[in-house]
Amino acid sequence: QKEVEQNSGPLSVPEGAIASLNCTYSDRVSQSFFWYRQYSGKSPELIMSIYSNGDKEDGRFTAQLNKASQYVSLLIRDSQPSDSATYLCAVCPGGDDKIIFGKGTRLHILP
Amino acid sequence: EAGVVQSPRYKIIEKKQPVAFWCNPISGHNTLYWYLQNLGQGPELLIRYENEEAVDDSQLPKDRFSAERLKGVDSTLKIQPAELGDSAVYLCASSLGRQGGSGELFFGEGSRLTVL
Repeated sequence: QKEVEQNSGPLSVPEGAIASLNCTYSDRVSQSFFWYRQYSGKSPELIMSIYSNGDKEDGRFTAQLNKASQYVSLLIRDSQPSDSATYLCAVCPGGDDKIIFGKGTRLHILP
Repeated sequence: EAGVVQSPRYKIIEKKQPVAFWCNPISGHNTLYWYLQNLGQGPELLIRYENEEAVDDSQLPKDRFSAERLKGVDSTLKIQPAELGDSAVYLCASSLGRQGGSGELFFGEGSRLTVL
């Protein structure tokens, strides 16, 4: 079983709408969760981190964590064409600094 | 402040040839990662260093891959001999590690390897 699962997409969302990206993980003791954005041909860059259950908001981005369901999501409000990228979910299983990535979800914002 | 620096950006070699990639992490970052990323896939960990110690190399194909981080700063990843399946982007990342509390990774621009 894959440790971090994401739908590969592509996910197409109209400009101005809310994009919802989802991720599940297998290790119950995971403690830290991250969303990275990767533009085509570029390296991943961190956009959100979340460590406790609930929501964390940063500008147009909201990360949601549900440890009981082993589920983490990223919402992007007022989607812009510049949000078109691959979004990677990453999990730190805990105990050390190992970071495991999902395959990523390709997001396409339709102008 | 300078980010993570990798070289070369691109490398084309024939199979069975050796290749080496170099990484200079952000100053003060004790933890250094080498990831491999294939097209359409997420980064896959090859090796992780805490200072000069390789603390996780379980995914490193040790028959052909080797890595070192002398003096706990720069790191080199080597492949010898290269195979066609090694064509990928090799990403270096660094972080403050647990001492920094965040576990956030900062990536270099990557080294794209093509094996012919």
